[in-house]
Amino acid sequence: GQQLNQSPQSMFIQEGEDVSMNCTSSSIFNTWLWYKQDPGEGPVLLIALYKAGELTSNGRLTAQFGITRKDSFLNISASIPSDVGIYFCAGGGSNYKLTFGKGTLLTVNP
Amino acid sequence: GAVVSQHPSWVICKSGTSVKIECRSLDFQATTMFWYRQFPKQSLMLMATSNEGSKATYEQGVEKDKFLINHASLTLSTLTVTSAHPEDSSFYICSARDPGPFARQGRHTQYFGPGTRLTVL
Repeated sequence: GQQLNQSPQSMFIQEGEDVSMNCTSSSIFNTWLWYKQDPGEGPVLLIALYKAGELTSNGRLTAQFGITRKDSFLNISASIPSDVGIYFCAGGGSNYKLTFGKGTLLTVNP
Repeated sequence: GAVVSQHPSWVICKSGTSVKIECRSLDFQATTMFWYRQFPKQSLMLMATSNEGSKATYEQGVEKDKFLINHASLTLSTLTVTSAHPEDSSFYICSARDPGPFARQGRHTQYFGPGTRLTVL
C-alpha cells in the first residue's frame, strides 16, 4: 500500500542534542499522528495534529501539521537515553485509515 | 485513558492449526478497530478494518478466509489466523479508533495494542 516518505531513516545523536524528523506525502491528509515504538511493543501515540498549520507540543516534543496538509515534522529537544526507539508518522484520511511512514530509528548515546 | 489490550502477547503454534488473537478497548467504545501486520525492521501494514456489527473490510492482497475478523462488541475484535503456516509468523498489532469529540469532522486518533508475536513452527 501507499507509504509516506519519512526521513531520516536513522539518527545517531548525543544525549542533550535536538532531533528533527519529517514526513512528506503526495496526498492530502486531515490528520497527522506521530508514534513511538519500542522493540516488541505496539506504537504509542505522541502527538496528534488535526489542523493545517497547527503546532503542538508534548513536553520536549513539538510537531507541526504542514500548511499544504502534505507534510509534518517532529522535533525532540534535549534528547535523553529513553528517547531511543522508532518514530513513525501517520497520515489519516477521510476513510479513517492511517498511512504510515517507514520510521526513523533514533539512537541516543549517553 | 485510551488503553487497548491484546491477548495473547505471544503464541507459538504448529503449522496447520488456527490461532485467535483478541483486541480490547478498555476505557472507550470503539466502533472501528484495525488489524496490522509488522515484519522485522519494517513499518506497519494495514490488513483489515473491523467494524462493530458488520463484516470486516480487507486490504488488497489479504486473504479474508485465512484471516478471519469478528467485531462482536464495541470493545472487542478478534483476529483468527486459520491453518497457520510459517510464513504467517509475524507481529500482529491492533488499534482502536477513538471517536472523540472531533470524529464528525473527520479527525481521528488510533490507539494501538501492545502487539502479539505469532510464531508458526
